[in-house]
Amino acid sequence: RKEVEQDPGPFNVPEGATVAFNCTYSNSASQSFFWYRQDCRKEPKLLMSVYSSGNEDGRFTAQLNRASQYISLLIRDSKLSDSATYLCVVISSGYSTLTFGKGTMLLVSP
Amino acid sequence: DARVTQTPRHKVTEMGQEVTMRCQPILGHNTVFWYRQTMMQGLELLAYFRNRAPLDDSGMPKDRFSAEMPDATLATLKIQPSEPRDSAVYFCASGTTAYEQYFGPGTRLTVT
Repeated sequence: RKEVEQDPGPFNVPEGATVAFNCTYSNSASQSFFWYRQDCRKEPKLLMSVYSSGNEDGRFTAQLNRASQYISLLIRDSKLSDSATYLCVVISSGYSTLTFGKGTMLLVSP
Repeated sequence: DARVTQTPRHKVTEMGQEVTMRCQPILGHNTVFWYRQTMMQGLELLAYFRNRAPLDDSGMPKDRFSAEMPDATLATLKIQPSEPRDSAVYFCASGTTAYEQYFGPGTRLTVT
């Protein structure tokens, strides 16, 4: 099993739709989790951290499921500007490993 | 609006040549990361510095790659000799911890 896995997509959704992505990780010692967003031919940018209790930032909700070893990102009311690749990052305790997933591409259409 | 800067933005070179990429982290950031991104492998961590000291360079091919921080305002990644398989986008990122990283625009390297 790969250390961090994401469905590459693309996920094609219409504006206004709700879409969710998952990211699974294999290292049970993983401690910190994040979602980054990367636009085409641009650098990744931090979108949000993922806390055990779940967290929400506007239309975006991130969840962590330690038992099943995955994190999720839910986007409500999708906008055209949400079209991008979403990367998850998993960091193990003591920074011994820091691993990005390969990303999930989202395409929001009018 | 403070940003990480990287030079050059694009580099085309021939196999066997030396390539040096430079990064200026955001002022005050003491943690610097070098990544390589390809379609096949995604974003891979090559090396990571804190307070200019290398903490982890296990992701870097040691025989041809080297990373240094000569001072707090400059990080360099060198490839010597370069090979076609090194073609990728190389990102530098800085932060005050590993948890929040600000990426530079990247150097797009093509080795022919």
